[in-house]
Amino acid sequence: DGGITQSPKYLFRKEGQNVTLSCEQNLNHDAMYWYRQDPGQGLRLIYYSQIVNDFQKGDIAEGYSVSREKKESFPLTVTSAQKNPTAFYLCASSIAAGTKNTEAFFGQGTRLTVV
Amino acid sequence: DAKTTQPTSMDCAEGRAANLPCNHSTISGNEYVYWYRQIHSQGPQYIIHGLKNNETNEMASLIITEDRKSSTLILPHATLRDTAVYYCIVRVWGNAGNMLTFGGGTRLMVKP
Repeated sequence: DGGITQSPKYLFRKEGQNVTLSCEQNLNHDAMYWYRQDPGQGLRLIYYSQIVNDFQKGDIAEGYSVSREKKESFPLTVTSAQKNPTAFYLCASSIAAGTKNTEAFFGQGTRLTVV
Repeated sequence: DAKTTQPTSMDCAEGRAANLPCNHSTISGNEYVYWYRQIHSQGPQYIIHGLKNNETNEMASLIITEDRKSSTLILPHATLRDTAVYYCIVRVWGNAGNMLTFGGGTRLMVKP
Protein backbone atom coordinates (compact mmCIF):
# COMPACT_ATOMS: atom_id res chain seq x y z
CA ASP A 1 0.00 0.00 0.00
CA GLY A 2 1.16 3.53 -0.71
CA GLY A 3 1.61 5.78 2.23
CA ILE A 4 3.79 7.67 4.62
CA THR A 5 5.39 5.92 7.57
CA GLN A 6 6.87 7.38 10.71
CA SER A 7 8.89 5.45 13.21
CA PRO A 8 9.04 4.88 16.06
CA LYS A 9 5.55 5.65 17.35
CA TYR A 10 6.86 6.43 20.85
CA LEU A 11 10.36 7.63 21.67
CA PHE A 12 12.02 8.44 24.95
CA ARG A 13 15.31 10.24 25.26
CA LYS A 14 17.44 11.61 28.01
CA GLU A 15 17.91 15.32 28.28
CA GLY A 16 20.93 16.49 26.29
CA GLN A 17 20.83 13.68 23.71
CA ASN A 18 20.18 14.05 20.02
CA VAL A 19 17.49 11.82 18.53
CA THR A 20 16.43 11.16 14.93
CA LEU A 21 12.85 10.58 13.84
CA SER A 22 12.24 8.61 10.66
CA CYS A 23 9.81 9.51 7.87
CA GLU A 24 9.47 7.44 4.70
CA GLN A 25 6.97 7.74 1.85
CA ASN A 26 6.32 5.61 -1.23
CA LEU A 27 3.87 8.01 -2.85
CA ASN A 28 6.50 9.44 -5.21
CA HIS A 29 5.89 12.87 -3.68
CA ASP A 30 8.48 15.57 -4.17
CA ALA A 31 7.53 17.66 -1.13
CA MET A 32 7.89 16.58 2.48
CA TYR A 33 7.26 18.41 5.77
CA TRP A 34 7.79 18.14 9.50
CA TYR A 35 5.33 19.58 12.01
CA ARG A 36 5.33 19.75 15.76
CA GLN A 37 2.15 19.58 17.84
CA ASP A 38 1.89 20.40 21.55
CA PRO A 39 -1.08 19.27 23.68
CA GLY A 40 -4.29 21.04 22.71
CA GLN A 41 -2.55 23.07 20.00
CA GLY A 42 -2.47 23.12 16.23
CA LEU A 43 0.48 22.03 14.10
CA ARG A 44 3.54 24.21 13.64
CA LEU A 45 5.92 23.81 10.71
CA ILE A 46 9.52 22.90 11.55
CA TYR A 47 11.15 22.21 8.15
CA TYR A 48 10.02 21.41 4.65
CA SER A 49 11.64 20.12 1.49
CA GLN A 50 10.42 20.65 -2.07
CA ILE A 51 13.00 18.45 -3.75
CA VAL A 52 15.89 16.13 -3.01
CA ASN A 53 18.96 17.81 -1.52
CA ASP A 54 17.03 20.97 -0.71
CA PHE A 55 15.09 22.03 2.39
CA GLN A 56 13.85 25.21 4.04
CA LYS A 57 13.25 26.32 7.61
CA GLY A 58 9.69 26.60 8.81
CA ASP A 59 8.38 28.67 11.69
CA ILE A 60 10.16 26.84 14.53
CA ALA A 61 13.37 25.35 13.08
CA GLU A 62 15.69 26.22 15.97
CA GLY A 63 17.07 23.11 17.65
CA TYR A 64 16.14 20.83 14.74
CA SER A 65 17.96 19.61 11.65
CA VAL A 66 16.89 17.63 8.57
CA SER A 67 18.34 15.99 5.49
CA ARG A 68 16.83 15.01 2.16
CA GLU A 69 19.28 12.67 0.47
CA LYS A 70 16.55 10.52 -1.07
CA LYS A 71 13.12 11.39 -2.41
CA GLU A 72 11.49 8.82 -0.15
CA SER A 73 13.09 9.88 3.13
CA PHE A 74 13.11 13.04 5.25
CA PRO A 75 14.55 12.32 8.72
CA LEU A 76 14.30 14.90 11.49
CA THR A 77 16.96 15.23 14.18
CA VAL A 78 15.97 16.81 17.46
CA THR A 79 19.18 18.20 18.87
CA SER A 80 20.16 19.00 22.43
CA ALA A 81 19.75 22.66 21.51
CA GLN A 82 15.96 22.23 21.37
CA LYS A 83 14.91 23.50 24.79
CA ASN A 84 11.50 21.85 24.99
CA PRO A 85 11.52 18.80 22.71
CA THR A 86 8.68 16.83 24.30
CA ALA A 87 5.90 16.89 21.69
CA PHE A 88 4.03 14.99 19.01
CA TYR A 89 5.89 15.12 15.68
CA LEU A 90 4.11 14.71 12.36
CA CYS A 91 5.58 14.17 8.93
CA ALA A 92 3.66 14.90 5.73
CA SER A 93 4.19 14.73 1.99
CA SER A 94 2.53 16.14 -1.10
CA ILE A 95 2.93 16.47 -4.83
CA ALA A 96 5.33 19.28 -5.71
CA ALA A 97 4.31 22.90 -5.54
CA GLY A 98 2.76 24.25 -8.69
CA THR A 99 0.34 21.40 -9.13
CA LYS A 100 -3.35 21.76 -8.48
CA ASN A 101 -3.74 18.70 -6.31
CA THR A 102 -1.88 19.82 -3.24
CA GLU A 103 -3.51 17.51 -0.73
CA ALA A 104 -0.99 16.59 1.95
CA PHE A 105 -0.77 13.09 3.40
CA PHE A 106 0.30 12.70 7.01
CA GLY A 107 2.03 9.94 8.89
CA GLN A 108 0.70 8.66 12.20
CA GLY A 109 3.19 10.66 14.22
CA THR A 110 6.00 10.08 16.72
CA ARG A 111 5.46 11.03 20.33
CA LEU A 112 8.78 12.14 21.78
CA THR A 113 9.24 12.38 25.53
CA VAL A 114 12.35 13.74 27.21
CA VAL A 115 13.04 12.07 30.54
CA ASP B 1 -1.72 32.52 3.85
CA ALA B 2 -4.93 34.06 5.18
CA LYS B 3 -5.83 33.56 8.83
CA THR B 4 -8.90 31.57 9.76
CA THR B 5 -11.20 31.71 12.78
CA GLN B 6 -13.11 28.69 14.03
CA PRO B 7 -15.12 27.98 17.18
CA THR B 8 -13.08 26.14 19.77
CA SER B 9 -15.58 23.33 20.22
CA MET B 10 -18.96 22.03 19.07
CA ASP B 11 -21.29 19.18 19.95
CA CYS B 12 -23.46 17.21 17.56
CA ALA B 13 -25.95 14.40 18.07
CA GLU B 14 -25.18 11.13 16.34
CA GLY B 15 -27.02 10.84 13.03
CA ARG B 16 -27.57 14.57 12.70
CA ALA B 17 -25.71 16.91 10.37
CA ALA B 18 -22.63 18.60 11.80
CA ASN B 19 -22.09 22.11 10.45
CA LEU B 20 -18.64 23.50 11.19
CA PRO B 21 -18.14 27.19 10.38
CA CYS B 22 -14.94 28.96 9.43
CA ASN B 23 -14.29 32.66 8.91
CA HIS B 24 -11.55 33.74 6.52
CA SER B 25 -12.38 37.38 5.90
CA THR B 26 -8.92 38.24 4.53
CA ILE B 27 -8.87 35.49 1.92
CA SER B 28 -7.52 36.54 -1.45
CA GLY B 29 -8.70 35.52 -4.89
CA ASN B 30 -6.17 32.76 -5.44
CA GLU B 31 -6.47 31.11 -2.04
CA TYR B 32 -8.25 27.80 -1.61
CA VAL B 33 -10.14 26.65 1.48
CA TYR B 34 -8.96 23.28 2.82
CA TRP B 35 -10.40 21.15 5.59
CA TYR B 36 -8.52 18.50 7.53
CA ARG B 37 -9.45 16.57 10.63
CA GLN B 38 -7.34 14.96 13.32
CA ILE B 39 -8.56 12.10 15.43
CA HIS B 40 -6.84 11.92 18.78
CA SER B 41 -3.14 11.03 18.57
CA GLN B 42 -3.25 10.41 14.81
CA GLY B 43 -2.03 12.36 11.81
CA PRO B 44 -4.42 14.84 10.17
CA GLN B 45 -6.62 13.50 7.38
CA TYR B 46 -7.60 15.49 4.32
CA ILE B 47 -11.36 16.00 3.93
CA ILE B 48 -12.12 18.43 1.13
CA HIS B 49 -11.07 21.68 -0.48
CA GLY B 50 -12.59 24.34 -2.74
CA LEU B 51 -12.05 27.74 -4.32
CA LYS B 52 -15.46 29.36 -4.76
CA ASN B 53 -17.94 26.70 -5.80
CA ASN B 54 -19.54 24.35 -3.33
CA GLU B 55 -17.89 20.95 -3.25
CA THR B 56 -19.04 17.50 -2.18
CA ASN B 57 -17.27 14.20 -1.79
CA GLU B 58 -17.88 10.95 0.02
CA MET B 59 -16.87 12.45 3.35
CA ALA B 60 -18.41 15.90 3.45
CA SER B 61 -19.75 18.99 1.70
CA LEU B 62 -18.09 22.37 1.63
CA ILE B 63 -20.22 25.49 1.30
CA ILE B 64 -18.35 28.71 0.51
CA THR B 65 -20.17 32.04 0.70
CA GLU B 66 -20.37 34.17 -2.40
CA ASP B 67 -17.92 36.73 -0.99
CA ARG B 68 -15.63 33.84 0.05
CA LYS B 69 -15.17 35.32 3.50
CA SER B 70 -16.55 32.28 5.26
CA SER B 71 -17.29 28.63 4.68
CA THR B 72 -19.05 25.71 6.33
CA LEU B 73 -18.03 22.08 6.40
CA ILE B 74 -21.02 19.77 6.57
CA LEU B 75 -20.89 16.17 7.75
CA PRO B 76 -24.37 15.05 6.68
CA HIS B 77 -24.87 12.19 9.14
CA ALA B 78 -22.35 12.44 11.95
CA THR B 79 -21.19 9.25 13.63
CA LEU B 80 -19.22 8.72 16.81
CA ARG B 81 -16.14 8.13 14.66
CA ASP B 82 -16.39 11.71 13.40
CA THR B 83 -15.34 12.99 16.82
CA ALA B 84 -12.12 14.86 16.05
CA VAL B 85 -10.50 18.27 15.73
CA TYR B 86 -11.40 19.90 12.41
CA TYR B 87 -9.00 22.38 10.85
CA CYS B 88 -9.97 25.01 8.30
CA ILE B 89 -7.00 26.30 6.29
CA VAL B 90 -6.72 28.74 3.43
CA ARG B 91 -3.70 28.65 1.17
CA VAL B 92 -2.55 29.66 -2.26
CA TRP B 93 -2.68 26.93 -4.85
CA GLY B 94 0.80 26.05 -5.91
CA ASN B 95 2.68 28.55 -3.82
CA ALA B 96 6.36 27.84 -3.46
CA GLY B 97 6.04 26.75 0.11
CA ASN B 98 3.21 24.34 -0.63
CA MET B 99 2.64 24.06 3.07
CA LEU B 100 -0.35 24.15 5.33
CA THR B 101 -0.60 26.50 8.30
CA PHE B 102 -2.81 25.02 11.00
CA GLY B 103 -4.68 27.02 13.62
CA GLY B 104 -6.35 25.62 16.71
CA GLY B 105 -9.29 24.03 14.90
CA THR B 106 -12.74 23.05 16.17
CA ARG B 107 -13.08 20.12 18.51
CA LEU B 108 -16.24 18.29 17.39
CA MET B 109 -17.81 15.94 19.88
CA VAL B 110 -20.44 13.60 18.43
CA LYS B 111 -22.69 12.30 21.17
CA PRO B 112 -25.00 9.27 21.19
